[in-house]
Amino acid sequence: RKEVEQDPGPFNVPEGATVAFNCTYSNSASQSFFWYRQDCRKEPKLLMSVYSSGNEDGRFTAQLNRASQYISLLIRDSKLSDSATYLCVVKGDNTNAGKSTFGDGTTLTVKP
Amino acid sequence: GAGVSQTPSNKVTEKGKYVELRCDPISGHTALYWYRQSLGQGPEFLIYFQGTGAADDSGLPNDRFFAVRPEGSVSTLKIQRTERGDSAVYLCASSLIPGGSSPLHFGNGTRLTVT
Repeated sequence: RKEVEQDPGPFNVPEGATVAFNCTYSNSASQSFFWYRQDCRKEPKLLMSVYSSGNEDGRFTAQLNRASQYISLLIRDSKLSDSATYLCVVKGDNTNAGKSTFGDGTTLTVKP
Repeated sequence: GAGVSQTPSNKVTEKGKYVELRCDPISGHTALYWYRQSLGQGPEFLIYFQGTGAADDSGLPNDRFFAVRPEGSVSTLKIQRTERGDSAVYLCASSLIPGGSSPLHFGNGTRLTVT
């Protein structure tokens, strides 16, 4: 079993739709959580950190459920420019604060 | 300000050759990471440095792979006796500190092709 698992998709949605991605992680001691966005043949870029109380950044909402060890990302009012691969990232544990582990990503295509 | 810089952007080499990939992190970032990414997969952790020392090298696949960061800034990933299976995009990232909520900032990557 992979340390960080994501539904690979692809998710194909129309503009304006709401779409949600989930991610599960295996290490209960994991400390920090992030969502990254990666465009085709580009490097990953930080989309947002994920906080225990949940957090929102414009059309994007991230949630963390430590008890169930999953993280979610909700995108409202999807734009064509949201088309990308979304990577879930889990960082640190009791013995290693710095190591960040990536999921394989969920691919989103927003269509007109 | 300047981001993470990786050189070369592309490298084609023959099986069995030696290659070096260079990473120049964001100034002031103490932590530096190497990942590699194959098509359709997420970045796979190789090694990370805190300052000059390798804090975790558990992701290096075998002893053909080695990385250094002698002055705590620029890092070089070295691959000996390259194999076709080493072909991938090698990503370098840096963060202000290794722990906590400090995120990773990636360079553009080096696309390595072993023929």
